[in-house]
Amino acid sequence: DSGVTQTPKHLITATGQRVTLRCSPRSGDLSVYWYQQSLDQGLQFLIQYYNGEERAKGNILERFSAQQFPDLHSELNLSSLELGDSALYFCASSKNGVSEAFFGQGTRLTVV
Amino acid sequence: AQTVTQSQPEMSVQEAETVTLSCTYDTSESNYYLFWYKQPPSRQMILVIRQEAYKQQNATENRFSVNFQKAAKSFSLKISDSQLGDTAMYFCAFMPYTGNQFYFGTGTSLTVIP
Repeated sequence: DSGVTQTPKHLITATGQRVTLRCSPRSGDLSVYWYQQSLDQGLQFLIQYYNGEERAKGNILERFSAQQFPDLHSELNLSSLELGDSALYFCASSKNGVSEAFFGQGTRLTVV
Repeated sequence: AQTVTQSQPEMSVQEAETVTLSCTYDTSESNYYLFWYKQPPSRQMILVIRQEAYKQQNATENRFSVNFQKAAKSFSLKISDSQLGDTAMYFCAFMPYTGNQFYFGTGTSLTVIP
């Protein structure tokens, strides 16, 4: 158990819908990363937060947004979902944003 | 820009044997971290080992060790006494000291054969 909790584990939704993925980092970790892993692709960096503030942004679509709350949990919002958004979404956390990160078990999103 | 290259998409090894997974990276940064992550069929991402670039000594974690060649920008992972549970996708990752994100390679799928 990495100590990073992601909910839900599985999510099936229809095209055009909106979903929210939740991540609780390890106790004491200030930084949260979001990654997308599709079946035929590697790990795509989406966004990083550090202590509530956006720190880095990767190839995140405009339909996607995220935030980190004062209690340090983070949410990734995906809207106007398309079939191609089906993927495994990982959250990872690290103590200070410059060290190893520990990954949650991921949320498997299926868009039908 | 930082890039991480894993040139071996698939590898196999006999149980109890030793296998080495290759990784090269490109960066202009002088201070950074390197990592190997393991992703078994469960899809969980598990940290295997980490190396700080300023440390010349190669990191070791039980049966896992690395060969870090900073000048060559090479960071290979050696797995000794391979076990069936080592069957997984292995990702090499780079992070500059400035943080911001992990840069991952495309992975090497390792199969341990009984």
